[in-house]
Amino acid sequence: NAGVTQTPKFQVLKTGQSMTLQCAQDMNHEYMSWYRQDPGMGLRLIHYSVGAGITDQGEVPNGYNVSRSTTEDFPLRLLSAAPSQTSVYFCASSYSQDYEQYFGPGTRLTVT
Amino acid sequence: AQKVTQAQTEISVVEKEDVTLDCVYETRDTTYYLFWYKQPPSGELVFLIRRNSFDEQNEISGRYSWNFQKSTSSFNFTITASQVVDSAVYFCALSEFNQAGTALIFGKGTTLSVSS
Repeated sequence: NAGVTQTPKFQVLKTGQSMTLQCAQDMNHEYMSWYRQDPGMGLRLIHYSVGAGITDQGEVPNGYNVSRSTTEDFPLRLLSAAPSQTSVYFCASSYSQDYEQYFGPGTRLTVT
Repeated sequence: AQKVTQAQTEISVVEKEDVTLDCVYETRDTTYYLFWYKQPPSGELVFLIRRNSFDEQNEISGRYSWNFQKSTSSFNFTITASQVVDSAVYFCALSEFNQAGTALIFGKGTTLSVSS
């Protein structure tokens, strides 16, 4: 099992550009989520999904979009990148909402 | 609103010392889960423990132990005989239930530095 994979590992964007961060898991987990990690802020939830076709907003959803068409994939779209979105992004999955989440390796995004 | 507080931003110890990382949470839910994660310098997030609100038994796993006290809303983590490899950022997290499902609320983390 590859677990949770994220691509790319690093990305530099210019302000206003859009892009999609990819996340996939091969553990047949229903629950998937996206977090951003900023210095001194811990991890903050952006969006999450409890199953294919079902998504909801977390604490900091503005500027991001998600969809969940399959159990395996949960991409995060940045609609128009801003310097405030410079961060490390982690995708996670779990068997169900109450179980431990397994995290991907992260994507370090810089917006200039 | 749910909240997790890790008041210790940074802790420095010398190898073989015991160290306790504090975690205090706030929730109105009667059923909830608490977690600890470790983030070593390499950056990945490693799951350490999950505890439900009905199980107040302390847990020990090797050099790691956890003390859960509902009366004080705390879920503290102790490393016995610390080692350099324990140097990492440690996050405490609380599950939050809402209409759409569950989300994890993380504390801001405690950076532990263990020197030889």
